[in-house]
Amino acid sequence: GENVEQHPSTLSVQEGDSAVIKCTYSDSASNYFPWYKQELGKGPQLIIDIRSNVGEKKDQRIAVTLNKTAKHFSLHITETQPEDSAVYFCAASKGGGTYKYIFGTGTRLKVLA
Amino acid sequence: DTAVSQTPKYLVTQMGNDKSIKCEQNLGHDTMYWYKQDSKKFLKIMFSYNNKELIINETVPNRFSPKSPDKAHLNLHINSLELGDSAVYFCASSRGGANEKLFFGSGTQLSVL
Repeated sequence: GENVEQHPSTLSVQEGDSAVIKCTYSDSASNYFPWYKQELGKGPQLIIDIRSNVGEKKDQRIAVTLNKTAKHFSLHITETQPEDSAVYFCAASKGGGTYKYIFGTGTRLKVLA
Repeated sequence: DTAVSQTPKYLVTQMGNDKSIKCEQNLGHDTMYWYKQDSKKFLKIMFSYNNKELIINETVPNRFSPKSPDKAHLNLHINSLELGDSAVYFCASSRGGANEKLFFGSGTQLSVL
């Protein structure tokens, strides 16, 4: 069935360093890949997304890359700050009249000051 | 103004009871969702409604019954609560169509004793 694997499950970095979170999806029909950030006690919030016709997208300190052949996509956060500490989720969707997002298992990112 | 609001934020109840969680969005979105997040932070879709019509029902027990009185509201009623129902339940909404950004509420933490 549809599946999204996410690694690592926890990640600790020093403030100012970069963080990379990786996801692999199983359904080759997936064409939309959002990333959500969930802070403690809050709902997930979209931080960046990428569609299958694009290989890379950047928004200030965050970027997402997509390798459709390998069915991999990754989140890159540069110059990490303490406020980046949260749980990050990747997701995949195949559109086409479905409204179903398959979420990864989450990565708890800790940025150490 | 809160875009997606759900009540209550916390719900503590005994096994066997019936309870409801309410959700309202003021974004003018056509599609609303219920997600369940377990203790390991896994996010799984339960239901999705588009223009008040059920479009996703992810093999959720019949004890869970969503109700959408209008496009802005999607309530979740749970009968005969079980210990395994303890989780955080998130309501979300998006514009009509697939591959649209999800806007999540802040969650309802349900504890079944």
